[in-house]
Amino acid sequence: DTAVSQTPKYLVTQMGNDKSIKCEQNLGHDTMYWYKQDSKKFLKIMFSYNNKELIINETVPNRFSPKSPDKAHLNLHINSLELGDSAVYFCASSQGPGGLGINEQFFGPGTRLTVL
Amino acid sequence: QKEVEQNSGPLSVPEGAIASLNCTYSDRGSQSFFWYRQYSGKSPELIMFIYSNGDKEDGRFTAQLNKASQYVSLLIRDSQPSDSATYLCAVLKNQGGKLIFGQGTELSVKP
Repeated sequence: DTAVSQTPKYLVTQMGNDKSIKCEQNLGHDTMYWYKQDSKKFLKIMFSYNNKELIINETVPNRFSPKSPDKAHLNLHINSLELGDSAVYFCASSQGPGGLGINEQFFGPGTRLTVL
Repeated sequence: QKEVEQNSGPLSVPEGAIASLNCTYSDRGSQSFFWYRQYSGKSPELIMFIYSNGDKEDGRFTAQLNKASQYVSLLIRDSQPSDSATYLCAVLKNQGGKLIFGQGTELSVKP
């Protein structure tokens, strides 16, 4: 029944490690997103894919690499983790990337990443 | 100037009162506006969206948009303790579905 799901829910790791977060949506949406929410609760977009094609790539360190094997999945791989990467990462999806009526975004439950 | 600004609060209202949450945005060309509710430790949940000037009502929630003043608000009538959460205003940039969020307003409804 879960519309947008993410795994894992919690991720605790050491600095310098590489980790991945997975996201899946069963809404039939074409567009998926990754957001980062910092300790001050500020939510900021990182990437967006539309039908497996990258359409938004914010100013994010290239240690972060999204991958979309199909339009229902968007994974986030992070290399050489740093303390400042600690945050909650949310995946979201929408019917389309823009235009009235199709860009309402629905969020997954989030992955709390803690880098020690 | 931040692209989307909200008062961070906390905003405290008694149960049954009207809660008024405000948001201003800087890009005059913005077309779509969203209100999300986020409970502590949970993900943002879409509660309202508005595209046209004026009011849009959905149950106890009313979104108001004034594009000339670059202002969008959310009214919650008959506030309940269960409405206590952080309310995020978001504005859609035309390129690629990019949502720009405000910093959120924390609402506390006291029984």
